[in-house]
Amino acid sequence: GEDVEQSLFLSVREGDSSVINCTYTDSSSTYLYWYKQEPGAGLQLLTYIFSNMDMKQDQRLTVLLNKKDKHLSLRIADTQTGDSAIYFCAEVPMEYGNKLVFGAGTILRVKS
Amino acid sequence: DTGVSQNPRHKITKRGQNVTFRCDPISEHNRLYWYRQTLGQGPEFLTYFQNEAQLEKSRLLSDRFSAERPKGSFSTLEIQRTEQGDSAMYLCASSLKHAGPGGTEAFFGQGTRLTVV
Repeated sequence: GEDVEQSLFLSVREGDSSVINCTYTDSSSTYLYWYKQEPGAGLQLLTYIFSNMDMKQDQRLTVLLNKKDKHLSLRIADTQTGDSAIYFCAEVPMEYGNKLVFGAGTILRVKS
Repeated sequence: DTGVSQNPRHKITKRGQNVTFRCDPISEHNRLYWYRQTLGQGPEFLTYFQNEAQLEKSRLLSDRFSAERPKGSFSTLEIQRTEQGDSAMYLCASSLKHAGPGGTEAFFGQGTRLTVV
């Protein structure tokens, strides 16, 4: 079935690292995505990882993928107040190759 | 701005009225998606088009919902006889290819927030 799970809330201090975790269900998912949503706004694609990769780094963002455990994480280094937002992970299951299946989102609060 | 554009940004309507939303995708993108997002949840897929053809509809899309993309460019989503449960953010996204294997990422608009009173 389609069920992407994320922890609900994460609070960190400015300058610390943030780690947002996600578990997905479909081992056939070839791409896994991280989106950011600021209040009242649409979704902004942050990064994605192809399933044959274990890690992808893009400036302050590091994505780790554990296919065996179907676990995806997003690490934000040197977290800033502007990083406060809701972060969604999403998969594209092979069976549903034309749609993104999202988790419920993790609210990241950055305290200054 | 060459991103995905949605209009209106906000819509308040009385229960029972019809509403129509518009989405203008990124111009060279041939795939267009509609999602619905309720408070505290991630977006849920409603339907998608490849060019002007509507290729998939979610079971979430009741008979009161209809989407069109007449010339393969902009799309409209109409909700007839709105109900309070239709209150949500309606998001449009577009991509150059499919979002799955071998595809490309989808870019989202800012959404239309519908409130049914």
